[in-house]
Amino acid sequence: GAGVSQSPSNKVTEKGKDVELRCDPISGHTALYWYRQSLGQGLEFLIYFQGNSAPDKSGLPSDRFSAERTGGSVSTLTIQRTQQEDSAVYLCASEQGRGREQFFGPGTRLTVL
Amino acid sequence: KQEVTQIPAALSVPEGENLVLNCSFTDSAIYNLQWFRQDPGKGLTSLLLIQSSQREQTSGRLNASLDKSSGRSTLYIAASQPGDSATYLCAVLGSNYKLTFGKGTLLTVNP
Repeated sequence: GAGVSQSPSNKVTEKGKDVELRCDPISGHTALYWYRQSLGQGLEFLIYFQGNSAPDKSGLPSDRFSAERTGGSVSTLTIQRTQQEDSAVYLCASEQGRGREQFFGPGTRLTVL
Repeated sequence: KQEVTQIPAALSVPEGENLVLNCSFTDSAIYNLQWFRQDPGKGLTSLLLIQSSQREQTSGRLNASLDKSSGRSTLYIAASQPGDSATYLCAVLGSNYKLTFGKGTLLTVNP
């Protein structure tokens, strides 16, 4: 596609439910990143994929967070047993090669009630 | 741990003014530095990327400089327009290939 796409654009869920956020990177981009943007916290790195493998998961805030990437393309970020502090905008970015320019999707705004 | 600071946090200028946004980082071992723009409720739009070996990059009315040894970058916007109103974010890519972001400068250009 022309750019990075994310779905859903907005997600409202109840505390304790699981959610899945999807990212479709730019075709041909081998690297994919997930970030979280919280009010007052700025943007924080969550996880990075090179192809289908995730060499760096150090940013995931707890074991309730997991992510996978299949076919070197689509990635899914899963949050289990959501908590109110998980409310944030989750941004995905893709990159043609390491150290190149990162292109961001529009984000998914997650609200946990 | 890399820390990125952006000054000022907010800036309001009249249309037509030239302005400078500042970014500083604590660890000079960076791979590149990227400036982004974020409009309310939207994702990030990449404006300029400066590799660690470069001193500046230009795109239209935007010019970004990088002084890696002192840990500083500036984004210069010439002849500002109301459409330039947005949050501007600076991010550095460290040797661990993680982007570390500043908290941004909220720019308002008044007609």
